[in-house]
Amino acid sequence: AQSVAQPEDQVNVAEGNPLTVKCTYSVSGNPYLFWYVQYPNRGLQFLLKYITGDNLVKGSYGFEAEFNKSQTSFHLKKPSALVSDSALYFCAVEANKLIFGSGTRLLVRP
Amino acid sequence: GAVVSQHPSWVICKSGTSVKIECRSLDFQATTMFWYRQFPKQSLMLMATSNEGSKATYEQGVEKDKFLINHASLTLSTLTVTSAHPEDSSFYICSCGSGGYNEQFFGPGTRLTVL
Repeated sequence: AQSVAQPEDQVNVAEGNPLTVKCTYSVSGNPYLFWYVQYPNRGLQFLLKYITGDNLVKGSYGFEAEFNKSQTSFHLKKPSALVSDSALYFCAVEANKLIFGSGTRLLVRP
Repeated sequence: GAVVSQHPSWVICKSGTSVKIECRSLDFQATTMFWYRQFPKQSLMLMATSNEGSKATYEQGVEKDKFLINHASLTLSTLTVTSAHPEDSSFYICSCGSGGYNEQFFGPGTRLTVL
C-alpha cells in the first residue's frame, strides 16, 4: 500500500539551531514529493517540492529538503530555526493523488 | 501563492441536518478542486476531486450521496454533508489546483461538529 510516514509527532529545537523533520515514503515509481506547513487556523501552505534533478531542493522561508531514493526519504531541513517556524508540517507524495503523512509539530523555543 | 477561502470556518449542527461548506479561489481560476477530511492527529485524507462543470470523482469508501460536491464555476466548489451524524464531525479542507496534483493551494479548513 502507498503510504507516507512521519515518525515524529513533535520535534523540539532551540532557536538558531538546525532542524530536521523526517519523512519516508512507500510508493511505486518516481513520485513527486512535497512539504506543506500549517499554522493554527490557517490552510496548508506549500513549502517545496521535488520532481526530478538535484536531490537537494530549496523552498520557502529558508527550508530545504533532501531526496534520498535509496532510503525513500525526503527529510525537511533548515540550518537555523526561528520561533516563527513553530507549526505543523506535512510531507506528501503524489501518486495519482496526494498522500499525506500524519504531520509533525515543530516547536522552536526561544 | 493563490488565496483560497472556506466558509464557514466552523459549524455546529444537530444530527440529521445538512451542512454546506463553500470553497472559493479568490485570485485565480481553479479547474480542479479537492476536498479533504482531517481527523485529529491524523493525515489529510482525500475525499473527492472535482473538475469544473463535471461530476466529482470520489475516493473509495466515500459515499457520494452523503457528501455532495458541486463545482459550478472556476472559483467556487461546495461540499454538502447530508443528514449529518456525529461520526461526520471532522475538519474539512479544500484545495484548488490549475490542473493535476502539482502545488495545490489549500483553504483554511472548516471544523464541523455534529451533535
